[in-house]
Amino acid sequence: GAVVSQHPSRVICKSGTSVKIECRSLDFQATTMFWYRQFPKQSLMLMATSNEGSKATYEQGVEKDKFLINHASLTLSTLTVTSAHPEDSSFYICSARDVAQIGQYFGPGTRLTVL
Amino acid sequence: GDSVTQMEGPVTLSEEAFLTINCTYTATGYPSLFWYVQYPGEGLQLLLKATKADDKGSNKGFEATYRKETTSFHLEKGSVQVSDSAVYFCARSNSGNTPLVFGKGTRLSVIA
Repeated sequence: GAVVSQHPSRVICKSGTSVKIECRSLDFQATTMFWYRQFPKQSLMLMATSNEGSKATYEQGVEKDKFLINHASLTLSTLTVTSAHPEDSSFYICSARDVAQIGQYFGPGTRLTVL
Repeated sequence: GDSVTQMEGPVTLSEEAFLTINCTYTATGYPSLFWYVQYPGEGLQLLLKATKADDKGSNKGFEATYRKETTSFHLEKGSVQVSDSAVYFCARSNSGNTPLVFGKGTRLSVIA
């Protein structure tokens, strides 16, 4: 149980285009999902907290208009990287919390490469 | 604020050696404590957890005990294998929908 999926697992896009990453909780309902960014050989940096049916809460320094987060249902949150640039290339990981349990369950990550 | 400090790596061990990765946390509130593992090219997997003082989390031969008196949650394994090579993250979480706070990660390499 407690499986989180992400799609796509890898994406390569051209500079200036937008990319959408989906995060799904497959066998539980997640009222809260989190989006992280991880640079090579570094820890996870929390980007935003996404609550179902409300606006995401962004961490300091994260541009809301660049990283659009939508949490439309209890099992799906999306992160859209708008007008992507090479510096947005990174490993993006989502996690979901089942309110009935302690801890967070992580998706396998999405590697974004912007050319 | 809440934080987690874990020993810096990389840690290189021979197969069957004893492993300890230190982790300490700030003593605010009554956090739950976790160890996550990240294998190369993959996301994070929950390795073990402990929700209150003196609890011991264990999984796949790894153990960690929630020590309130020393605010620590050190990860141990008696005999590591090459397949244990990964990055290990210590994390804490308060109650509710607050996000996990991670340590910086410790890279473990086990050589045959």
